[in-house]
Amino acid sequence: EPEVTQTPSHQVTQMGQEVILRCVPISNHLYFYWYRQILGQKVEFLVSFYNNEISEKSEIFDDQFSVERPDGSNFTLKIRSTKLEDSAMYFCASSLLRGGDNEQFFGPGTRLTVL
Amino acid sequence: QQQVKQSPQSLIVQKGGISIINCAYENTAFDYFPWYQQFPGKGPALLIAIRPDVSEKKEGRFTISFNKSAKQFSLHIMDSQPGDSATYFCAAPGGSTLGRLYFGRGTQLTVWP
Repeated sequence: EPEVTQTPSHQVTQMGQEVILRCVPISNHLYFYWYRQILGQKVEFLVSFYNNEISEKSEIFDDQFSVERPDGSNFTLKIRSTKLEDSAMYFCASSLLRGGDNEQFFGPGTRLTVL
Repeated sequence: QQQVKQSPQSLIVQKGGISIINCAYENTAFDYFPWYQQFPGKGPALLIAIRPDVSEKKEGRFTISFNKSAKQFSLHIMDSQPGDSATYFCAAPGGSTLGRLYFGRGTQLTVWP
């Protein structure tokens, strides 16, 4: 069964450093998302991406964040200068069709720890 | 914006019992309400979803009930099993067509054998 994959599974970084989280969405999916989950809290939307453009972003997704689809398979989330409060699980998701009424498939997540 | 309120925060049920989790939403561009199941260390996985041209959807032991006028929907797990022990999130789309999902805070379900 096709699945979303994410690397690394765990990333530890120093405050102020840049990190890049990587995702490989399901191959025929066209819409891509990043969510995050701070420990013990709900899953929060960060950004959606389609046709090499950001479709929507949340108030969390400030200038420190960027997304990119550098090739036909990878989808990345970059945090330029990490803060302690960026420590969270980051989930990539993809969907075949657009719209909130289409199933989003989530990856296993990357645990980011900022020291 | 969208607020999704989920209750209870935690739930303990004996094996064979019924687990009920409730959610309420404010507004949405779509009538589509998914429930996600998350095991520790894993990403959320779609469990069941409803597009409420019907008020109820059943898949095996899992049922979603939907009350459009009250803007509420609930997940019922019949004959709960220890393997159902996980965190359950309800979600609702936002007010746009762009795919953003708003999640509830989650319910940690523990099923005792």
